[in-house]
Amino acid sequence: EPEVTQTPSHQVTQMGQEVILRCVPISNHLYFYWYRQILGQKVEFLVSFYNNEISEKSEIFDDQFSVERPDGSNFTLKIRSTKLEDSAMYFCASSEGHLIGGQPQHFGDGTRLSIL
Amino acid sequence: GENVEQHPSTLSVQEGDSAVIKCTYSDSASNYFPWYKQELGKGPQLIIDIRSNVGEKKDQRIAVTLNKTAKHFSLHITETQPEDSAVYFCAGNTGGFKTIFGAGTRLFVKA
Repeated sequence: EPEVTQTPSHQVTQMGQEVILRCVPISNHLYFYWYRQILGQKVEFLVSFYNNEISEKSEIFDDQFSVERPDGSNFTLKIRSTKLEDSAMYFCASSEGHLIGGQPQHFGDGTRLSIL
Repeated sequence: GENVEQHPSTLSVQEGDSAVIKCTYSDSASNYFPWYKQELGKGPQLIIDIRSNVGEKKDQRIAVTLNKTAKHFSLHITETQPEDSAVYFCAGNTGGFKTIFGAGTRLFVKA
């Protein structure tokens, strides 16, 4: 069964450094998402992306964050200047389409980001 | 905006018993409600979903019910097995791109 893959599984970065998290969505999917899960807390929506542009973003997704689909297979999340509170598990997800009323999203296994 | 409340936060059942997890949502415009299972070290995995034009949906040992008037929906797992032990998340979507998750329920199934 096709799956969403994320790399690396664990990223350790010094505070203030830039970090790029990478995702390969399912190949025929058109909608891509990033979520964040701080340890022990709920999964939080960050951003959705379609047709090479952001379709929706949350208040968490400020100017320090950006997303890109640099080629036909990768989808990346960049944090420009990391803060301690950015430490979390970051999940990428993709969906085949977008129906009014939502569409099943398939999640990767996440990248654990640790900011020192 | 949408808010999804989930309870209980922890649920322990004996193998073979049923487990019920309940969620409420705040935005009456919400019309899609997925449930996810998250095992240790893994991402959330969709196990069942329901749309607002349906009151109940079943898939083998798993069922979900939706009460639009009361704005709550529930996950029912029958004949629980040790491999059902995981964290379960409910979620709501108003038809946009943002899915709002509940806080999660840690289910323990004791053999």
